Amino acid sequence: EIVLTQSPGTLSLSPGESATLSCRASQSVSSNYLAWYQQKLGQAPRLLIYGASNRATGIPDRFSGSGSGTDFTLTIRRLDPEDSAVYYCQQYSDALWTFGQGTKVEIK
Amino acid sequence: QVQLVQSGAEVKKPGASVKVSCKASGYTLTEYYMHWVRQAPGQGLEWMGWINPISGATKYAQKFQGRVSINTDTSISTVYVEVSSLRSDDTAVYYCAREKIRGLYYWGQGTLVTVSS
Repeated sequence: EIVLTQSPGTLSLSPGESATLSCRASQSVSSNYLAWYQQKLGQAPRLLIYGASNRATGIPDRFSGSGSGTDFTLTIRRLDPEDSAVYYCQQYSDALWTFGQGTKVEIK
Repeated sequence: QVQLVQSGAEVKKPGASVKVSCKASGYTLTEYYMHWVRQAPGQGLEWMGWINPISGATKYAQKFQGRVSINTDTSISTVYVEVSSLRSDDTAVYYCAREKIRGLYYWGQGTLVTVSS
């Protein structure tokens, strides 16, 4: 089973700044199968990025994903208070899916 | 539009079983895999498994092998997850989620299962 480790645990930033979230895999992941989700308090997760760098329908271009192999990044530019949430990376390999433990983004 | 509507909250005693349903509408159930993901209070997302509704084939996270069963009733467009031998650490919100474009795009509203004596 591939383990995804996200860092940092919490990011505390101001509106207008940029956030860089890291997701590291215990072994190489196909870029096709790396996704990012946003989960706000009390809500179901929302798919942001699929295939490592493709934005899902309706996701603003402030959100971007990159990376390959074992290292992937979610970047959020021009942070808005509505971006306060926990962000999860997720991969699937050999029909098994796993999530990272999440990064909490706080907007001060 | 695609909707996944889950059954209501459950309270169960340790050792019991629970079955949560997820009714799909707005698309043909057999065209997409359905997944179950759970989230314990204050914790992260935990993938449990998936089902291919057209074949009934399933795949489970190793942690849940033998204690979790996912099945479907295609005649009513509904997918189920059953968890047996419940323990207190099974207390969580259980979500069904449908694949689209290599991710879980559509999610149910979640079902809180509380395990308590």
